[in-house]
Amino acid sequence: EDQVTQSPEALRLQEGESSSLNCSYTVSGLRGLFWYRQDPGKGPEFLFTLYSAGEEKEKERLKATLTKKESFLHITAPKPEDSATYLCAVQSPATSGTYKYIFGTGTRLKVLA
Amino acid sequence: GAGVSQSPRYKVAKRGQDVALRCDPISGHVSLFWYQQALGQGPEFLTYFQNEAQLDKSGLPSDRFFAERPEGSVSTLKIQRTQQEDSAVYLCASSYSDWGDNEQFFGPGTRLTVL
Repeated sequence: EDQVTQSPEALRLQEGESSSLNCSYTVSGLRGLFWYRQDPGKGPEFLFTLYSAGEEKEKERLKATLTKKESFLHITAPKPEDSATYLCAVQSPATSGTYKYIFGTGTRLKVLA
Repeated sequence: GAGVSQSPRYKVAKRGQDVALRCDPISGHVSLFWYQQALGQGPEFLTYFQNEAQLDKSGLPSDRFFAERPEGSVSTLKIQRTQQEDSAVYLCASSYSDWGDNEQFFGPGTRLTVL
């Protein structure tokens, strides 16, 4: 069964303390892996799309990497405004000829000043 | 430029009532998705439209859930005879690419509470 698992569930960091969030996936075929940020009471906000193993993308203090089994979201020198829930989603072919999206449960990040 | 909007933002329904949730996607976006997000969980896929065609409704939990996008722009998610387990945030997302291959732009969601 296809699934997406994110760890840790929650993470508290001091401002400036770098860390990584993990997204492990098991799917029949990866079409794309997406990272989103979600603030309380809002919809998810797109961060990155990764398509193949070895691919990396960066945006400000964030860097996403992808292997055949997992993706990491590295946060370098985080600031309090980086506090949010980070969601990982996988797009893969469905048996019906369509594509399915599976989201993980997210990592709740809190950065303390 | 306006993003994805959803209305109402909050809806309280008594068990058994019918509700209609509206999504206004970004103009010109081909793809439109509906998701259900329970508290503390990630979004769960409900249905997908490509223009006016509903290509995937495999995620709709029961036949009480119905979605439409008749002119390929605004979409409505209707839930008939609401149950308490329907309480959740309903998110709409749109994308300029087929199947949302690149990025999806999410609305703020409608929080549905069924009493």
